[in-house]
Amino acid sequence: KAGVTQTPRYLIKTRGQQVTLSCSPISGHRSVSWYQQTPGQGLQFLFEYFSETQRNKGNFPGRFSGRQFSNSRSEMNVSTLELGDSALYLCASSLQGARDQPQHFGDGTRLSIL
Amino acid sequence: AQKITQTQPGMFVQEKEAVTLDCTYDTSDPSYGLFWYKQPSSGEMIFLIYQGSYDQQNATEGRYSLNFQKARKSANLVISASQLGDSAMYFCAMRGPYNAGNMLTFGGGTRLMVKP
Repeated sequence: KAGVTQTPRYLIKTRGQQVTLSCSPISGHRSVSWYQQTPGQGLQFLFEYFSETQRNKGNFPGRFSGRQFSNSRSEMNVSTLELGDSALYLCASSLQGARDQPQHFGDGTRLSIL
Repeated sequence: AQKITQTQPGMFVQEKEAVTLDCTYDTSDPSYGLFWYKQPSSGEMIFLIYQGSYDQQNATEGRYSLNFQKARKSANLVISASQLGDSAMYFCAMRGPYNAGNMLTFGGGTRLMVKP
């Protein structure tokens, strides 16, 4: 069974640009969550999508957005990039309704802002 | 609001010995779940073990066990017979009530280093 796939693995951008990251969940998983990991702030929840609807959102500015497609694949977009957006972005998928089931994470996209 | 605290930024353990990684949590919700994840240097988060707030017994998964003390709000991870491959960052995380979806709140992590 294929795991969570995130593309690209590495990305270098400059300030002011925008970026789109992609996440393909495990087959059958309809919930997709995104997290930002930085040395200073640790792991922080960005948002969760379920059935193409944003179900929950963390405390991030509106420059961070996402969407989910009918096949459960998800994208997140960051506009007007800032140096502080340099981070590892992790995507996780899980089964809906199974409270004891863990979120399964991808390898992440490492974003560097120059 | 939920909060997870891991007070050990880094730990050393001798190969083949057992080690306990501390995790305390704070929540006012009666229903919650606690997870431990391992993150090697490659970045991937690997699920290790789960404990539900209503579970009567401590969870075990192979060499991993969870010392769950609900009254003290602690959920410590015990790794028995440490191996060199256990060297990694370890994160404790909490999932809240049903209306919070699948959102996880993470602790700051503990870096475990296994000495040969």
